[in-house]
Amino acid sequence: AQKITQTQPGMFVQEKEAVTLDCTYDTSDPSYGLFWYKQPSSGEMIFLIYQGSYDQQNATEGRYSLNFQKARKSANLVISASQLGDSAMYFCAMSLLLPSGTYKYIFGTGTRLKVLA
Amino acid sequence: DGGITQSPKYLFRKEGQNVTLSCEQNLNHDAMYWYRQDPGQGLRLIYYSQIVNDFQKGDIAEGYSVSREKKESFPLTVTSAQKNPTAFYLCASRSAGSPNTGELFFGEGSRLTVL
Repeated sequence: AQKITQTQPGMFVQEKEAVTLDCTYDTSDPSYGLFWYKQPSSGEMIFLIYQGSYDQQNATEGRYSLNFQKARKSANLVISASQLGDSAMYFCAMSLLLPSGTYKYIFGTGTRLKVLA
Repeated sequence: DGGITQSPKYLFRKEGQNVTLSCEQNLNHDAMYWYRQDPGQGLRLIYYSQIVNDFQKGDIAEGYSVSREKKESFPLTVTSAQKNPTAFYLCASRSAGSPNTGELFFGEGSRLTVL
């Protein structure tokens, strides 16, 4: 079954420290994309970072990096130097190409991160 | 500014009433999606559409209907058949670009409460 699993419902981190949010995925497709989104309390979904299944290097975007371990089927998000504004819900997602030519996106249940001052 | 506009932001409905949530995008994206978000359950796919006049059911389509008469618009109707419609609804569209690099762009969501 194609699935995204986020096992941490909630996390706390001290301001300026790094934090890792876990994500594992399940698919038998060789080609897929992995995404992380941030959802503040306002509800909007903000795209953070992308990793392709064939990418050799781990993706990085500013303070965000994606620790991609293909053999373990994990795509953990690392946030360095946490800021108070990082407090939000974080979703891991996977994109898959359907036979119809459309892409389907599957989301995990999310991790709520709270940054402490 | 390019983006996705969802309206209304908040909506209250009595049981037994149909309600339509609007989703408009000016990003020139072909693919559009509707998701439902409940606490602790993440986002679940309701319907999606790749092109005008064509759409497919997602994982939880029962009690919902959509139309795609224009590229820019993908309205979602929550019918009286939906047994538990109180939720946060998110509309999204997919950017062009290489396969699988296209992230989803989201609207700000519509919060539906059934009284």
